[in-house]
Amino acid sequence: NAGVTQTPKFRVLKTGQSMTLLCAQDMNHEYMYWYRQDPGMGLRLIHYSVGEGTTAKGEVPDGYNVSRLKKQNFLLGLESAAPSQTSVYFCASKRPRGVGEKLFFGSGTQLSVL
Amino acid sequence: SQQGEEDPQALSIQEGENATMNCSYKTSINNLQWYRQNSGRGLVHLILIRSNEREKHSGRLRVTLDTSKKSSSLLITASRAADTASYFCATSRGGFKTIFGAGTRLFVKA
Repeated sequence: NAGVTQTPKFRVLKTGQSMTLLCAQDMNHEYMYWYRQDPGMGLRLIHYSVGEGTTAKGEVPDGYNVSRLKKQNFLLGLESAAPSQTSVYFCASKRPRGVGEKLFFGSGTQLSVL
Repeated sequence: SQQGEEDPQALSIQEGENATMNCSYKTSINNLQWYRQNSGRGLVHLILIRSNEREKHSGRLRVTLDTSKKSSSLLITASRAADTASYFCATSRGGFKTIFGAGTRLFVKA
């Protein structure tokens, strides 16, 4: 049981390049999330999904897009990377409200935009 | 904007001492959770306390919740060097979003 798996673990981009971060979970969770973590800022919610085919904006959605074509996968895209998007990105998943509130996290993707 | 704010930002104690971290939040909540993050790793869930609960225990962890003051505290008793990590409180309102605070960095000296 792998839990939540994020790929890649590290990536360096040049300003203006695009990339996609992949999150996969094998726990059959309905809800999935993308957070970014910056020094002294804690985790900020970028986008989330409450089920296959659904997505919604979080606290800091600008510059990112997401897709949830399959229940087990949640993709985070950067269309035109900017230095301000240098951060550590975490994916998380959980069961629906009323069943479990606990979030399960991946190990993170460290992204640097030069 | 962040919902939870932890205090202190950093805490350094000796092994065997107790560590207390506080969290304040701004709006009504359904539950409050505490997570731990070791350096370079993802967050791991420690404990959840619901809005109708005042105190909860799990091993060496004790969490309190005061909804009138919109605050919570996490107590780690008899701390160990392995407890060195960052600790985050997180709040949930509508069941979809979980919002995190900036965290407390705990350093336990052996």
